Amino acid sequence: DAGITQSPRHKVTETGTPVTLRCHQTENHRYMYWYRQDPGHGLRLIHYSYGVKDTDKGEVSDGYSVSRSKTEDFLLTLESATSSQTSVYFCAISEQGGLSYEQYFGPGTRLTVT
Amino acid sequence: AQKITQTQPGMFVQEKEAVTLDCTYDTSDPSYGLFWYKQPSSGEMIFLIYQGSYDQQNATEGRYSLNFQKARKSANLVISASQLGDSAMYFCAMREGRQTGANNLFFGTGTRLTVIP
Repeated sequence: DAGITQSPRHKVTETGTPVTLRCHQTENHRYMYWYRQDPGHGLRLIHYSYGVKDTDKGEVSDGYSVSRSKTEDFLLTLESATSSQTSVYFCAISEQGGLSYEQYFGPGTRLTVT
Repeated sequence: AQKITQTQPGMFVQEKEAVTLDCTYDTSDPSYGLFWYKQPSSGEMIFLIYQGSYDQQNATEGRYSLNFQKARKSANLVISASQLGDSAMYFCAMREGRQTGANNLFFGTGTRLTVIP
């Protein structure tokens, strides 16, 4: 199994509060991704990183920011959580960005915004 | 338009039988990759199989095979000799070659497979 951990695994927070989710990998993979999973939508990319301090937006990036100061850590921040951000968040890693490189997923974080 | 379409919300299969999970995709990029992932009730996403658009043969991994029909833009997953542990959600996903940097995956909405003893 790929060495990917996410913390926290579960979180309940109130609308308007900031929230940071952490993804940690021990594989030294270059690429890291944050997805959210919602019923009826599958998984959708929020942000990704292709190296330390190199990040870019995915298809559902509004309301989220990310940072990657070390190869092993990729943080996802909800600056002011909203109920629409209630979801399951998955971190993924990929050795390279090439077409055939599979992504390995972390265990997920279930976030509830009340 | 949806890049990945999985039209079967749920499927049932008898234990030890084979089952096909459908996936169609939409892209104008000649270079792309197709993936299948399994998500058991515990929630983790498990990579199963990969097929490249230029691969001449259908991909196989143990009991999993991918029925790749390029002209029809379909990439169906075939699970042979179903086991109770195969009960899970299955997601089809695509990555397009023209993407630079991310090569992120576009996922379908999934098919829930239930294996009946």
